[in-house]
Amino acid sequence: DAGVTQSPTHLIKTRGQQVTLRCSPKSGHDTVSWYQQALGQGPQFIFQYYEEEERQRGNFPDRFSGHQFPNYSSELNVNALLLGDSALYLCASSTTGGKEETQYFGPGTRLLVL
Amino acid sequence: GESVGLHLPTLSVQEGDNSIINCAYSNSASDYFIWYKQESGKGPQFIIDIRSNMDKRQGQRVTVLLNKTVKHLSLQIAATQPGDSAVYFCAETAASGGYNKLIFGAGTRLAVHP
Repeated sequence: DAGVTQSPTHLIKTRGQQVTLRCSPKSGHDTVSWYQQALGQGPQFIFQYYEEEERQRGNFPDRFSGHQFPNYSSELNVNALLLGDSALYLCASSTTGGKEETQYFGPGTRLLVL
Repeated sequence: GESVGLHLPTLSVQEGDNSIINCAYSNSASDYFIWYKQESGKGPQFIIDIRSNMDKRQGQRVTVLLNKTVKHLSLQIAATQPGDSAVYFCAETAASGGYNKLIFGAGTRLAVHP
């Protein structure tokens, strides 16, 4: 039973570019949440997807957008990258209304913006 | 891998001792609390959770205590081992209805010395 997987593991971009990060949830999970973790800090909630719609959003600008596919996998897109977007991006999966509301995290994607 | 929590408070313990990691949470409406362990270069790993209708829950070598009066959470690790060395985060959420964005604490680094 595969856990949460994310790709790529590492990414280097330059300011102004766009990036897409991918996440596959744990088997049986239907809800995907994205978090940003700056070095030395706890993860910060970006948004959550369920039934292919964004249903909750944290304090992040519109440059951050996402998508959820019918197979429950998800993408995080960041446009017009800034140096401050350098961070570890974490995906967490869970179920809504089911037995497992606990969020389980993937290994993350380390993004470096130069 | 990259270091997590370069400037976090550190708890240093001897192998075999018991460890206690404390956390103050912010929202009186939070009703579900989780402890995560994060090793360098990895995503947060679920350790144990507790709902607000409980004040203590035990797992294997770990115990979580919840004091709602003072909004305080603690994680006790018995017979601490070198493999327990990591950064520990508490997280809170209002889990009802599935709108369960996690709010993370600042984190504590646990260093276990042989």
